[in-house]
Amino acid sequence: GAGVSQTPSNKVTEKGKYVELRCDPISGHTALYWYRQSLGQGPEFLIYFQGTGAADDSGLPNDRFFAVRPEGSVSTLKIQRTERGDSAVYLCASSITGTDTDTQYFGPGTRLTVL
Amino acid sequence: GQQLNQSPQSMFIQEGEDVSMNCTSSSIFNTWLWYKQEPGEGPVLLIALYKAGELTSNGRLTAQFGITRKDSFLNISASIPSDVGIYFCAGPEGAQKLVFGQGTRLTINP
Repeated sequence: GAGVSQTPSNKVTEKGKYVELRCDPISGHTALYWYRQSLGQGPEFLIYFQGTGAADDSGLPNDRFFAVRPEGSVSTLKIQRTERGDSAVYLCASSITGTDTDTQYFGPGTRLTVL
Repeated sequence: GQQLNQSPQSMFIQEGEDVSMNCTSSSIFNTWLWYKQEPGEGPVLLIALYKAGELTSNGRLTAQFGITRKDSFLNISASIPSDVGIYFCAGPEGAQKLVFGQGTRLTINP
């Protein structure tokens, strides 16, 4: 079966622009996570969805970042007024139910470059 | 929040050598996870540890959950070229979000 997919794989934008990053989780997985990975670092948590609702958005760095999952499947991470510091790989993961013993399966990421 | 420190940051070894890396935490974890990431890919789970003192193997990989619950190590025996990548330790903070270490980059000379 298909794993977690993310589009686009690469996104180059200019400072101040708006971007949307898409995640398609594994079919049937109710939990979905977004992480951000800067160069040379491990992934850092951004937000977690259980079904359609954001159960924990404590990792979002500021109000320029927003994520939705309107039908409990596909999720979109939205970044307004992008800044050069937003450049990173944005990883999406999904798990079956979202408990702490569930395996989180990661997608390949979207590499965002803000010029 | 909790922080994980991995060492070494990078390793350069010969094919066939054994590898050992470790991870320490500023606070207690109830689960330790070891992931591997290859270029252009997301992290892939290698081993999960759920109990203090637990020693778990997955092929040539062995990982242990430290007794204090503040550390874990990962060993790779008889390394092969496909072991190249970045290895991350991770643990859950709260119920769902994972905290990752900064990674150990493994390079293998054939």
